[in-house]
Amino acid sequence: GAVVSQHPSRVICKSGTSVKIECRSLDFQATTMFWYRQFPKKSLMLMATSNEGSKATYEQGVEKDKFLINHASLTLSTLTVTSAHPEDSSFYICSAKWGGRGDTQYFGPGTRLTVL
Amino acid sequence: GESVGLHLPTLSVQEGDNSIINCAYSNSASDYFIWYKQESGKGPQFIIDIRSNMDKRQGQRVTVLLNKTVKHLSLQIAATQPGDSAVYFCAENLSSNYKLTFGKGTLLTVNP
Repeated sequence: GAVVSQHPSRVICKSGTSVKIECRSLDFQATTMFWYRQFPKKSLMLMATSNEGSKATYEQGVEKDKFLINHASLTLSTLTVTSAHPEDSSFYICSAKWGGRGDTQYFGPGTRLTVL
Repeated sequence: GESVGLHLPTLSVQEGDNSIINCAYSNSASDYFIWYKQESGKGPQFIIDIRSNMDKRQGQRVTVLLNKTVKHLSLQIAATQPGDSAVYFCAENLSSNYKLTFGKGTLLTVNP
């Protein structure tokens, strides 16, 4: 149980385009989903917290107009990187929290974004 | 900045040996701690967790120890196997805000 999926696993796009990444909780309803960014050989950096049906809460320094988050249902959250630039290239990971399991966050497999 | 850090960035052990990965945290108010394993190109995988009202918790081949006095967390892996090779992150959490703060990570390499 507690499986989280992400799609796509890899995406390459041209500079200036927008990219959408999906995060789904497959076997549980996620009250809260989180989006992280990870650079090579670095730790995970929280970008935003997403609650179903409400606006996402962004961490300091993360541009909300650049990284659009939509949490439309208890099993789906999306991250859209708008007008992507090469510096947005990174590994994006989502996680989901199920209230019934306490505070544990379960992570998706990640999405590798490369902006040319 | 990060409030959770690690003493050793890399750890190399022989197959069959026990591994100990350490982590220091700075927020004495944190009440929930988790260890994650991350293999190359994959998302973090939950290993084991512990709440602040405990000082030890055991799982399958893994044990987490929590010393609140010195704000120290450790992960012990028994009979380490090549499949255990990965980066291990500790994370701390305040139950009231759901956010996880991750440490820098330790790369564990198991030599056959």
